[in-house]
Amino acid sequence: GEKVEQHESTLSVREGDSAVINCTYTDTASSYFPWYKQEAGKGLHFVIDIRSNVDRKQSQRLIVLLDKKAKRFSLHITATQPEDSAIYFCAASKNTDKVVFGTGTRLQVSP
Amino acid sequence: DAGVTQTPRHEVAEKGQTIILKCEPVSGHNDLFWYRQTKIQGLELLSYFRSKSLMEDGGAFKDRFKAEMLNSSFSTLKIQPTEPKDSAVYLCASSLGANTEVFFGKGTRLTVV
Repeated sequence: GEKVEQHESTLSVREGDSAVINCTYTDTASSYFPWYKQEAGKGLHFVIDIRSNVDRKQSQRLIVLLDKKAKRFSLHITATQPEDSAIYFCAASKNTDKVVFGTGTRLQVSP
Repeated sequence: DAGVTQTPRHEVAEKGQTIILKCEPVSGHNDLFWYRQTKIQGLELLSYFRSKSLMEDGGAFKDRFKAEMLNSSFSTLKIQPTEPKDSAVYLCASSLGANTEVFFGKGTRLTVV
């Protein structure tokens, strides 16, 4: 089955810098790649996704890139703010199967 | 608009006890997931239901963990008997189906002493 690996377990950046979180997946049939954010003491919530028919998607300060050849996707957070501090989870799924999550990256944005 | 509801929010159990965690998914969702979240292991899938049918029961968690979904609006996760290593946050989540947004509950924090 699908396996999603999230490469950075922790990431620290200064406020205003960019943060990049990288994930890889194993199943070439995966076509949907969402990202979730978990703030301290709260549940996970959806932030952005990308589907395999595009290789880039942007929503305000969030950019997702998808490299299907390398089976790699990444979340870029530009102009980071303290409220971006959270655990970020990447995930992958294909049309007929459940979503598979990575293990999470703890992002700390310091002033 | 109700999201995923989990009860209780906190549970303290003595080693060897049986505990039951409850989850109400978003109305109309077909997929339901139970996850265990720890700092070291991250998110671990315990059980996965599609249209109330158990699709996956998390391999290593089979012996003491049992999830059930008796109807489309309610699921339980039973841990029997509990062990201290079961201390973690247990998350329930639901979605319409494949390739759709997953909605998470706020979780149940279990402490086994």
